[in-house]
Amino acid sequence: AQTVTQSQPEMSVQEAETVTLSCTYDTSENNYYLFWYKQPPSRQMILVIRQEAYKQQNATENRFSVNFQKAAKSFSLKISDSQLGDTAMYFCAFQGGSEKLVFGKGTKLTVNP
Amino acid sequence: KAGVTQTPRYLIKTRGQQVTLSCSPISGHRSVSWYQQTPGQGLQFLFEYFSETQRNKGNFPGRFSGRQFSNSRSEMNVSTLELGDSALYLCASSTAGGLFYEQYFGPGTRLTVT
Repeated sequence: AQTVTQSQPEMSVQEAETVTLSCTYDTSENNYYLFWYKQPPSRQMILVIRQEAYKQQNATENRFSVNFQKAAKSFSLKISDSQLGDTAMYFCAFQGGSEKLVFGKGTKLTVNP
Repeated sequence: KAGVTQTPRYLIKTRGQQVTLSCSPISGHRSVSWYQQTPGQGLQFLFEYFSETQRNKGNFPGRFSGRQFSNSRSEMNVSTLELGDSALYLCASSTAGGLFYEQYFGPGTRLTVT
């Protein structure tokens, strides 16, 4: 069974600075997708960024980028120029052949003014 | 386009009762997945429905069940509620089931079992 591990339960960063959230996963599959979801306080979960395992190029979405290391099974999220609105729970998720999303326990990110 | 809606948003039930939660997907979406979110266990997959058929199921007891209607709306039912069923229940819809269709999440139903 696939597992997703987020080793940082909580993190904080100053506004305008850069922060990196870690995620590792375990799978024997070769074709899969990885995601970072953001869940703001009392608001809906939204997709931040996704990465297809067969693509070597790291995905980027504006201030959000990932460092995907397939051999190491590592998938970290970098947030540049952090904004107060980035304060949220961030979940790393895996989707493989079973097609269901497997989530990590989440990292609570606080952006301080 | 309207997002995923879930009703009710909050619910308080007593142990032993049963509860039904509803999820209306985004128009045109045919796949609905359900997740349970708790502080201890995090987000866990319950089941997924596609075109009124359960395509995938997580590791939850048979007290948890669901169904999907012809208009893609989905309901999940929990019978004989236990204290440990207190959680945020999220549903997510996507255009079609499969690898990879982006899932859009609803706001969730907060269930408290006393």
